[in-house]
Amino acid sequence: AAGVIQSPRHLIKEKRETATLKCYPIPRHDTVYWYQQGPGQDPQFLISFYEKMQSDKGSIPDRFSAQQFSDYHSELNMSSLELGDSALYFCASSLGRGDYGYTFGSGTRLTVV
Amino acid sequence: AQSVTQLGSHVSVSEGALVLLRCNYSSSVPPYLFWYVQYPNQGLQLLLKYTSAATLVKGINGFEAEFKKSETSFHLTKPSAHMSDAAEYFCAVNALTGGGNKLTFGTGTQLKVEL
Repeated sequence: AAGVIQSPRHLIKEKRETATLKCYPIPRHDTVYWYQQGPGQDPQFLISFYEKMQSDKGSIPDRFSAQQFSDYHSELNMSSLELGDSALYFCASSLGRGDYGYTFGSGTRLTVV
Repeated sequence: AQSVTQLGSHVSVSEGALVLLRCNYSSSVPPYLFWYVQYPNQGLQLLLKYTSAATLVKGINGFEAEFKKSETSFHLTKPSAHMSDAAEYFCAVNALTGGGNKLTFGTGTQLKVEL
């Protein structure tokens, strides 16, 4: 079965650079969520989209932005990167509000040096 | 706002022993509850979910959890631990309130299985 695809798997950036993370949800899933997991931390919700519209917003810095495209894939854009942005970034998708569960991708490990 | 509390950031059991990972929830509305497992450097894998059907939920790899409204708990159990169960386990809640339908995670419990 198709899963949630995230790219790239690993990314190394320097401070003040920009990064773009991509997420391709399971086919027919219309909702996408982004989470940030710091070292030894639980996943923290950043932002979500339903039918290409932002549906919820969590602890996402103003330096970050995201959108969901017509094919339902989503991109998380991160600018003016800081050392503290180094983390594992997960994308998850669901059908509607998630009654049938959420499927997570394998994550993108971002390292800011 | 909904939240979950996981008691014990580290749990150690012997191989073959009972696994019990504790999770208590706080929600103003009937919640949907989930348990996820995360192996080192990997993503989150769904173990099981409670969505207001049967209170005893069976998941993958022999795990199960029981929803107890009177105790606001959703503890994860497995009768006999295996070495391959060593991982981090996260309890999560989605109360489908006006705050949207995101998952809110607990702080995680690291399970160690010893010979």
